[in-house]
Amino acid sequence: DTGVSQDPRHKITKRGQNVTFRCDPISEHNRLYWYRQTLGQGPEFLTYFQNEAQLEKSRLLSDRFSAERPKGSFSTLEIQRTEQGDSAMYLCASSYSQGGDEKLFFGSGTQLSVL
Amino acid sequence: DQQVKQNSPSLSVQEGRISILNCDYTNSMFDYFLWYKKYPAEGPTFLISISSIKDKNEDGRFTVFLNKSAKHLSLHIVPSQPGDSAVYFCAASAVGGNEKLTFGTGTRLTIIP
Repeated sequence: DTGVSQDPRHKITKRGQNVTFRCDPISEHNRLYWYRQTLGQGPEFLTYFQNEAQLEKSRLLSDRFSAERPKGSFSTLEIQRTEQGDSAMYLCASSYSQGGDEKLFFGSGTQLSVL
Repeated sequence: DQQVKQNSPSLSVQEGRISILNCDYTNSMFDYFLWYKKYPAEGPTFLISISSIKDKNEDGRFTVFLNKSAKHLSLHIVPSQPGDSAVYFCAASAVGGNEKLTFGTGTRLTIIP
């Protein structure tokens, strides 16, 4: 399977705990995106990387959120001191940028439940 | 501020008929539009896209139409099949937007056998 892989698929945590999600993009893709989707809404952009550089962050990404992409390969998204409002599906996507219109390929997501 | 709007939360269509899903946008900087399909507990899957220099793009049973003056696009599926039952998201990216997508809220399509 050469698609975008996310781990874990599901995470249940207690309020105040830290959680970390991992995303492995399609190997030749140089761009990696994180999105969040809540019930009844479409995915909302959080942040994106071109290779290892984090080039844009949404205002939705509070200081409790941090994302990394060491060596431009896999990425991690960490949420510190989780709150119930963080409960959502966290989606990772990747693309290969050639300066034109490219489509994003999404993983299956990590469903986070904060109790 | 919802820049991409899908005003129909749900749509039911009989198998074999045409399904038409609609999407409106407000940001004039959007120049690339995509439709994604999503099954429960899975990530969105790319379906079809259209650049703003075109007004129609076709791929098999799927056709996307773009009306730039009305800031409106639609997805036509014909003939509709039971496997098409899913949530469909319209998405758009802006000039120089680094392919960052803005999504609508989705339309749940149900194909009735």
